[in-house]
Order: sequence, then structure tokens, then C-alpha cells
Amino acid sequence: NAGVTQTPKFQVLKTGQSMTLQCAQDMNHEYMSWYRQDPGMGLRLIHYSVGAGITDQGEVPNGYNVSRSTTEDFPLRLLSAAPSQTSVYFCASRRNRDPQPYEQYFGPGTRLTVT
Amino acid sequence: AQKITQTQPGMFVQEKEAVTLDCTYDTSDPSYGLFWYKQPSSGEMIFLIYQGSYDQQNATEGRYSLNFQKARKSANLVISASQLGDSAMYFCAMTESSASKIIFGSGTRLSIRP
Repeated sequence: NAGVTQTPKFQVLKTGQSMTLQCAQDMNHEYMSWYRQDPGMGLRLIHYSVGAGITDQGEVPNGYNVSRSTTEDFPLRLLSAAPSQTSVYFCASRRNRDPQPYEQYFGPGTRLTVT
Repeated sequence: AQKITQTQPGMFVQEKEAVTLDCTYDTSDPSYGLFWYKQPSSGEMIFLIYQGSYDQQNATEGRYSLNFQKARKSANLVISASQLGDSAMYFCAMTESSASKIIFGSGTRLSIRP
């Protein structure tokens, strides 16, 4: 049981380049999310998914795309990288049990620098 | 819309003292959950404690307890007998049952003095 895995751990991009951050979980969790954390700040939600084939926008979705073709995988695509997207990106997943939501598990993070 | 507020950017506490980290929230959903996470300097997010809106008692996990005051919409984290290893960023977070997303507060940096 690997939990939530993210690749790569570090990435440097040039402005205008595109790339995909990978996220996978092996806990059969319905919900998956992507957050970004800028230096000295909290986590802001980019996109989230409640299950395969269903995604929705979070607080800061501009410049990012997601898809959820399987329960396990939730990749985040940067369409045209900008220096403002320099950040640490966290993927997270959790199960759902009505009526109370439960703990969210985080991946180790991807540190992205855009020059 | 859900909202989480942490008003203490940083705190210094003497080792072995108890410390309270403040968190207030806003939601119109009667069913919601509140979380606290710890982020040490290594960067990983560590789950500490969870409180459901319908839970009758305050949540406790070892040295961590959550002082849940529903009427005041506050969910403060209490760490008893602080240790040097407690130095970290602490984030309060919440989710509503009607929304899948979990949102985070801006965090409090806790520093424990020997």
C-alpha cells in the first residue's frame, strides 16, 4: 500500500512549456484533489474530483487542466507554464462516508520552478 | 461558502507548556468536518486530528485535542506539554458534506523554545 504517490519530485520549466504532474493512489479513494502551496502560505485548491469521469474547479483553477479516467490516477496539466506557477504542488485523496467526511491523505509534493 | 480563518501567523512557546492554535470557520452546511494538519520543515502534510460537526465530544489524539465550540464556529487545536519536535506550520482545514472540497486556512507557524 503505497498511499498517494506523486512524480516528479522536482521540475524546472521554461515559461510557455507544458507538462503533466502525475498523481496516483492505491487506496480506492473516491475523492482526489490538487493543491498548490506558495512560500510561507497555506494550501489553495486547484481542482478536485469526486470519482472517475468527474472533475470540478477549486479556488485557483486558471492555467491548469485535470482529468480522471480511472479511480487511481489524477494528473494535473500545466498548459503554458508561467513564473506565477512556481510553487509546491500537493495531490491528496480521501474516501467518503456519509454523513461525515474523513481524513485526507497527501502525497509528498512536487516542487515546480518556472523560469 | 465555506471559509477558514487562522489569525495567528506565528507563535513562540516554551517547551513543556500547553499551546492553543486558533481556528474559526464559516459554513451554512449543518454537516461538516474540521481537520488539523502539521507541516514540518521537511514539507510533508501530517494529519493530526478530525472533528465532525455531529460529534458530541471534542476529538482527542494523544497530546492533541480539538476545542470545538460549535456556536462560536471555532475549532482550536490544543497541544499539551509541547515538545521541540512540535515546531512546525499548523493548518486548520474544513470540508462540507454538500461539497467535496477541503479548504485550508493560512496556517500558524509554531516555534517551541527549549
